[in-house]
Amino acid sequence: DTAVSQTPKYLVTQMGNDKSIKCEQNLGHDTMYWYKQDSKKFLKIMFSYNNKELIINETVPNRFSPKSPDKAHLNLHINSLELGDSAVYFCASSLTGISYNEQFFGPGTRLTVL
Amino acid sequence: QKEVEQNSGPLSVPEGAIASLNCTYSDRGSQSFFWYRQYSGKSPELIMFIYSNGDKEDGRFTAQLNKASQYVSLLIRDSQPSDSATYLCAVRRFSGSARQLTFGSGTQLTVLP
Repeated sequence: DTAVSQTPKYLVTQMGNDKSIKCEQNLGHDTMYWYKQDSKKFLKIMFSYNNKELIINETVPNRFSPKSPDKAHLNLHINSLELGDSAVYFCASSLTGISYNEQFFGPGTRLTVL
Repeated sequence: QKEVEQNSGPLSVPEGAIASLNCTYSDRGSQSFFWYRQYSGKSPELIMFIYSNGDKEDGRFTAQLNKASQYVSLLIRDSQPSDSATYLCAVRRFSGSARQLTFGSGTQLTVLP
């Protein structure tokens, strides 16, 4: 029973290609997030959706476009991939209204751009 | 100045010792503070959260918060080799209508058997 799942787990691609990462959660949460973790382990928020509405949109290149078809799904599409996009991308989810607002993370997608 | 700062380590302690992990933050409006543990190649998992000044204990873990000094720490008592991981400090603040977590870069802990 995977709580937050991501596909694919690994993604190796050439510069300039377009790729997508998918995320699904079965926890009944209403908020989902995309994080990027670089090689130095720095975990940085990229986007967040609450009930399919974009609520956090950090400064990321507009080559990155998130999409949330429903509360349980959040996808990330990346156009014109660059070497610097190589990182681990984590999806997370949480439930608003809970005081500590714990975020549950997916297993990550390791993206390598050659 | 980074919003959330941690010593990157690596921090090595012998088995059975107390490991002390520290974190400072810059935004005085920060409200809640979290410690996540991340094993190599795995995703972060929440181990402690605190939002009031003072200490909060959960088993072998104690989180300490001092809002005046903008400082939060995590103590791990009776450290075990299985505690070897990267520990991420995260701070929650409001960003518009959103509750946003800002992470530090993590401290790598190694517990030596």
